[in-house]
Amino acid sequence: RKEVEQDPGPFNVPEGATVAFNCTYSNSASQSFFWYRQDCRKEPKLLMSVYSSGNEDGRFTAQLNRASQYISLLIRDSKLSDSATYLCVANEDNDMRFGAGTRLTVKP
Amino acid sequence: GAGVSQTPSNKVTEKGKYVELRCDPISGHTALYWYRQSLGQGPEFLIYFQGTGAADDSGLPNDRFFAVRPEGSVSTLKIQRTERGDSAVYLCASSLVSTVNNSPLHFGNGTRLTVT
Repeated sequence: RKEVEQDPGPFNVPEGATVAFNCTYSNSASQSFFWYRQDCRKEPKLLMSVYSSGNEDGRFTAQLNRASQYISLLIRDSKLSDSATYLCVANEDNDMRFGAGTRLTVKP
Repeated sequence: GAGVSQTPSNKVTEKGKYVELRCDPISGHTALYWYRQSLGQGPEFLIYFQGTGAADDSGLPNDRFFAVRPEGSVSTLKIQRTERGDSAVYLCASSLVSTVNNSPLHFGNGTRLTVT
């Protein structure tokens, strides 16, 4: 069983749509969580950290449910430039484990 | 300031050869990670250094893979007797470790290894 699991997608949505990605992690000792964004043939880049109380950064909202070991990312008002692969990360004592990623394509 | 630098950006080698991949982390970052990424997959953890020591090498697939970080800065990933299945993008990342272990990773551009 993979430590971090994500729906691979692809998610194909029109501009302006709201889309949500989910991620589950198996290591209950994981302490911190992140969403990374990866464009085609580029390196992953940090999108946002995920806090227990939930957090928002512009059009992006991240949620964490420790009881269910579940993380989510919500993107509102999707833009063409949001097209990318979104990687979920769980961290225990700096052991950072990535999911396989969810691919998003936003279409005009 | 300078980001994480990886060299070479591309490496083509023949099956059975030895290769070295280099990573120069962000200055002052004590944590350094190596990942391997195949097409359509997420980064697969290989090894993590805290300073000069390997804090976790559980991701190294077999004894053909070895990594060092002798002075706590630059790291080299070494692959012996390369196999075609080793072909992937090898990503290096560094992190400024905080006391609450909540430090994001900064990735280099990766080395694309092709074993023919």
